[in-house]
Amino acid sequence: DIQMTQSPSSVSASVGDRVTITCQASQDIRDYLNWYQQKPGKAPKLLIYDAVNLETGVPSRFTGSASGRGSGSGTDFTLTISSLQPEDIATYFCQHYDHLPITFGQGTRLEI
Amino acid sequence: QVQLQESGPGLVKSSQTLSLTCTVSGGSIRSGNYYWTWIRQPAGKGLEWIGRIHSSGATDSNPSLNSRVTIPVDTSKNQFSLNLISVTAADTAVYYCAREGRRQLADAFDIWGQGILVTVSS
Repeated sequence: DIQMTQSPSSVSASVGDRVTITCQASQDIRDYLNWYQQKPGKAPKLLIYDAVNLETGVPSRFTGSASGRGSGSGTDFTLTISSLQPEDIATYFCQHYDHLPITFGQGTRLEI
Repeated sequence: QVQLQESGPGLVKSSQTLSLTCTVSGGSIRSGNYYWTWIRQPAGKGLEWIGRIHSSGATDSNPSLNSRVTIPVDTSKNQFSLNLISVTAADTAVYYCAREGRRQLADAFDIWGQGILVTVSS
């Protein structure tokens, strides 16, 4: 199984801050990487698909990127919130879709 | 607008079978190129993919569950289900049903049910 490792496991930031969450896959997953936001007591919500594409209706302050092309390509991904808002308090998960079984990162808890 | 809703018992005894149903509204479970999926989340922990059924009827499940999973579909009721046999306390979790839909490169879980807590008791 592909292991998805997120860092940090938790982060505290202030309103207006730029926040970055990283996700590393244990092997090349090309750009088959999705990001989800989960608020307490709620189901996850799709934010970013195919590593870089914003899901319809998601605010543009959320961006996804992929790095490590060339050496270690298709293993390192980032979710960035450009200007943190109070409603962004949640846990964020990455998820790969390279092959079965689908696996998720352990989550990054974002606090203000 | 497609919506999903889980239903089933919230308490299951150890060694018995956990059975949940997901009702799809606002669209047909047979139409489109979708997978209908089960995902679970133990309290305070991450998400685990359990398995899925395609609109064609093909199924896949997570090998980590050691063949304990079946995912039948009832197209007449626009529902799909999860049967997990021989449960233990480790199966206690919130269970979500979700729709897996194609994006540009790969699939993503774009619609989720609200989740249902299932506790396995001894």
